[in-house]
Amino acid sequence: DAGVIQSPRHEVTEMGQEVTLRCKPISGHDYLFWYRQTMMRGLELLIYFNNNVPIDDSGMPEDRFSAKMPNASFSTLKIQPSEPRDSAVYFCASRVPLGEQYFGPGTRLTVT
Amino acid sequence: DQQVKQNSPSLSVQEGRISILNCDYTNSMFDYFLWYKKYPAEGPTFLISISSIKDKNEDGRFTVFLNKSAKHLSLHIVPSQPGDSAVYFCAASAFFQGAQKLVFGQGTRLTINP
Repeated sequence: DAGVIQSPRHEVTEMGQEVTLRCKPISGHDYLFWYRQTMMRGLELLIYFNNNVPIDDSGMPEDRFSAKMPNASFSTLKIQPSEPRDSAVYFCASRVPLGEQYFGPGTRLTVT
Repeated sequence: DQQVKQNSPSLSVQEGRISILNCDYTNSMFDYFLWYKKYPAEGPTFLISISSIKDKNEDGRFTVFLNKSAKHLSLHIVPSQPGDSAVYFCAASAFFQGAQKLVFGQGTRLTINP
């Protein structure tokens, strides 16, 4: 298996633009997580899905952030409009019930 | 409100010596604890874990200790090797809304000096 796949690996955009991050979980994993890594707060859970259904989005910073999982093999995290303080590394992870989480390589987002 | 804290942002250890990384947590509902290792430009990878019913778990050079009364866990690496240089994240787990949810610390950057 190729593991969790994320795209793009790097994204540089201007303030106010829409940003879409993509994730393909490991086949057969029915939990999908989106995290944000910053120096100050480490890894923060933004939202997670179970069987494509959002279960807990309490970590989503504000309404500018949205996430979808239209099917078992694809999820998006969208920021609209983006702001410089959104600059961070965003990770997607997946797992089976009671299993370990497997992380993707991350997307480094820079908003100027 | 940081429920899982790693108070040392960085640690430098000589090759061959013991590395000790520390982690504190505040929520007594956490029942499972994990350490993840992260290399630059890669995602975190699972390293070792411990259940709250145990106080020690060992896997080769890596040992995790849990002190529930102090709400403290530590990761010991002995002997330390250059390839151990990475960022280490402590994570704590509990069941929320019927699913396991991980809360991570800020990470500790470990550098092993030859």
